[in-house]
Amino acid sequence: EPEVTQTPSHQVTQMGQEVILRCVPISNHLYFYWYRQILGQKVEFLVSFYNNEISEKSEIFDDQFSVERPDGSNFTLKIRSTKLEDSAMYFCASSEMGQVTETQYFGPGTRLLVL
Amino acid sequence: AQSVTQLGSHVSVSEGALVLLRCNYSSSVPPYLFWYVQYPNQGLQLLLKYTSAATLVKGINGFEAEFKKSETSFHLTKPSAHMSDAAEYFCAVCGYNAGNMLTFGGGTRLMVKP
Repeated sequence: EPEVTQTPSHQVTQMGQEVILRCVPISNHLYFYWYRQILGQKVEFLVSFYNNEISEKSEIFDDQFSVERPDGSNFTLKIRSTKLEDSAMYFCASSEMGQVTETQYFGPGTRLLVL
Repeated sequence: AQSVTQLGSHVSVSEGALVLLRCNYSSSVPPYLFWYVQYPNQGLQLLLKYTSAATLVKGINGFEAEFKKSETSFHLTKPSAHMSDAAEYFCAVCGYNAGNMLTFGGGTRLMVKP
């Protein structure tokens, strides 16, 4: 069964460094998402992406964050200058057409630790 | 605005006992509701979803949930717990005309005792 994959599974970085989290969505899906979960807190929506543009973003997704689909398969989340509070599990997801009733398929997550 | 509350961050049941995980939602538009499960070191996997067809929804692994508009609830049940059901369960809402972002509850960790 097709699945969403994410790399790396764990990343440790120093505060102020840039990090890029990578995702490979399911191949025929058109909508892509990033969510994050800070330890002990809820899973929170960050951004959705369709047709090479941001479709929606939350208040969390400020200028420090960016997303990109650099080629036909990868979808990336970049954090320009990491802060301690960016430490979290980051989940990528994809769906076929972005309809509200569709299933969003999630990857296993990247655990980011900012020191 | 939409929100989800899951009562009980931890639920413990004996193997073979009824599983009941509670979810209440708040939404200003007709909601679409989802239950996801997360096994250790894995991503979120869809268990079932309510998309305004039948109010009783059956999902994978013997789970089901009933949408009750009057109670703004979407509780998840399974008649008989199995050891393999031990995981974290997330209820989420997506609102029509509110975009396709999922709003999650805080999660409930289900423990199954032998």
